[in-house]
Amino acid sequence: DTGVSQDPRHKITKRGQNVTFRCDPISEHNRLYWYRQTLGQGPEFLTYFQNEAQLEKSRLLSDRFSAERPKGSFSTLEIQRTEQGDSAMYLCASSRQTVLQETQYFGPGTRLLVL
Amino acid sequence: KQEVTQIPAALSVPEGENLVLNCSFTDSAIYNLQWFRQDPGKGLTSLLLIQSSQREQTSGRLNASLDKSSGRSTLYIAASQPGDSATYLCATTNAGKSTFGDGTTLTVKP
Repeated sequence: DTGVSQDPRHKITKRGQNVTFRCDPISEHNRLYWYRQTLGQGPEFLTYFQNEAQLEKSRLLSDRFSAERPKGSFSTLEIQRTEQGDSAMYLCASSRQTVLQETQYFGPGTRLLVL
Repeated sequence: KQEVTQIPAALSVPEGENLVLNCSFTDSAIYNLQWFRQDPGKGLTSLLLIQSSQREQTSGRLNASLDKSSGRSTLYIAASQPGDSATYLCATTNAGKSTFGDGTTLTVKP
């Protein structure tokens, strides 16, 4: 059990470019979550998957954002036509849904800076 | 819409002191409540999870309580140490969606 990993850890891009982030959850975790966090704030929910199905998507997520989890394992988050307001830490978490509890385990995050 | 509030935003205590961090939420229809620790520039580390049917959970020097009817949770840290310095966040979860507070930044002075 190697924990949740995210790649890249840091990304600097110019406004208008597209970026893609990857998250590898803990193996056998069926749920995967994406959050966005800005300085001094708690993480904001973006979307989550149960296996390969995207079950909920925040209204905060504009149509420039898309997430996939094609085989129910790793997930990608793509931001098209980036804006300076997209600069934030993007966090991924995974959990195994059980009757008793559902602890979320977070990755180290991808810090995005849009110039 | 769930709202989670953590007060105070920052707290500074001398080493060895016992302390309580507060978390309040507006919608009591939660599946669970989780407390996390976040070090600067890092991801979140889970500390304790309390199911909606539970009243408290303990792990080492940490004890978390949950009162759904009043929409409150507390995290008690006993005998604080400088290594406890971090931001502590609480989050409620319902239907797969988690709502976080903005955290309390704790500084434990040697």
